[in-house]
Formats: sequence, structure tokens, C-alpha cells
Amino acid sequence: EIVLTQSPGTLSLSPGERATLSCRASQSVSSSYLAWYQQKPGQAPRLLIYGASSRATGIPDRFSGSGSGTDFTLTISRLEPEDFAVYFCQHYSSSPLTFGGGTKVEIK
Amino acid sequence: QVQLVESGGGVVQPGRSLRLSCAASGFTFRRFGMKWVRQAPGKGLEWVAVISYDGSNKYYADSVKGRFTISRDNSKNTLYVQMNSLRVEDTAVYYCAKMGLEWSTIYYMDVWGKGTTVTVSS
Repeated sequence: EIVLTQSPGTLSLSPGERATLSCRASQSVSSSYLAWYQQKPGQAPRLLIYGASSRATGIPDRFSGSGSGTDFTLTISRLEPEDFAVYFCQHYSSSPLTFGGGTKVEIK
Repeated sequence: QVQLVESGGGVVQPGRSLRLSCAASGFTFRRFGMKWVRQAPGKGLEWVAVISYDGSNKYYADSVKGRFTISRDNSKNTLYVQMNSLRVEDTAVYYCAKMGLEWSTIYYMDVWGKGTTVTVSS
């Protein structure tokens, strides 16, 4: 089983700042089969990024994903008020698919 | 538009059973694998079970294997999970989710329902 470790646990930033979230895998994620989701309180997760760097439909271009192998990054170039949420990474390169523990992006 | 609507959650005693449903619309349900994912209060996401597009393949997390059964009715565009021998630790919001690629069972999930809450308590 691939274990995904996200860091930091919490990121305190101000609107307009850049957010950099990390997701590290315990073994290589083949074909960059890594996704990122955003979850706001009381809501379902929303797909942001798949294939490590492809934006899902309707996702603003301030969200970008990068990385390969065991190290992946989600970057939000300029935080908007609606971006303060919890972000999860998930691999889908093998069974069982697993999620990271999440990074909370909170308003500083 | 593409939509998933879960139902069937509630409060149940340990050891009892519950069946959740997920009604799908806005896409060709029979072409997509489907998944149940849960989230315990204040916790992260946990994959529970997945079923292939035609129902022929089913996989379960170790934590629910032997107790939960995933199924689907493609004629009704509906996904189910039968949960037996429920435990306190099964308390969570249960989401159904659609695979992002036709015919696939292991993939990212591009559409999620709003979830239904299951509380297991005496």
C-alpha cells in the first residue's frame, strides 16, 4: 500500500499570497497517477488536479500541480477568499488507492 | 448536469445493518466504475468499496471486508452499499463518487455526491 504524507498539516496565509502544499508517497506513483481535491466545511471533495498536473474542468488556472515519482506539489498562485479549505492528495496507480491526511489552508 | 445523490443514512445501534443508496444522473452510469468513500468526524478520507461498471468486480477496504457489500443496478442508475455488523468506528459521512474514466475501477473520482451521515451508537 502506498502511504501519502501531506505537509504541512496547516498553512496560515493571507489572501493574495502563494500556497505550496506537498504530498510525498512512500513509493513511486507510476504514470503520475496523483490527484488533488479541495474540501470546504460541510461539503464533498472537489477534484482539482489529476495526472499530477492536469486541471479538472472549471478549475481556475491559479491552481497548478507538479511532481513525479514520490514528490508532488499543489500550488495556489494567489489565494482567493474561497480557496481557504482542506486539500487532499490521492494516488490511483495501484490498489488500494489511498489519500493523504490533508493540508488545511487557513486565513492568517 | 452530472449529479450523485446519496440517501439512507441515519443513527443505528452497533451490530445492526443499514443500506445506503446513490442515485446517479446526467451521465451514462453503466459505463463508469463507482466508489464509496467515507470520512469520520474531523478525519480524512477513506476508500470503502469500489465496483466496476458492470458490477462484475468488487473490492473492499480491509476495515469493511466481510461486512459491507457494494452493488449497483444499471437499469435504475443507482449504486448501493449494504452495511452489516456496524461498528462505532463506521460512524462517518459516506460519499459516493464516480470514476473519471469510463470502464475503469482504479482512477481518480471526478464527481462526488454531497454525502449521507451514518452514526453508529448505542
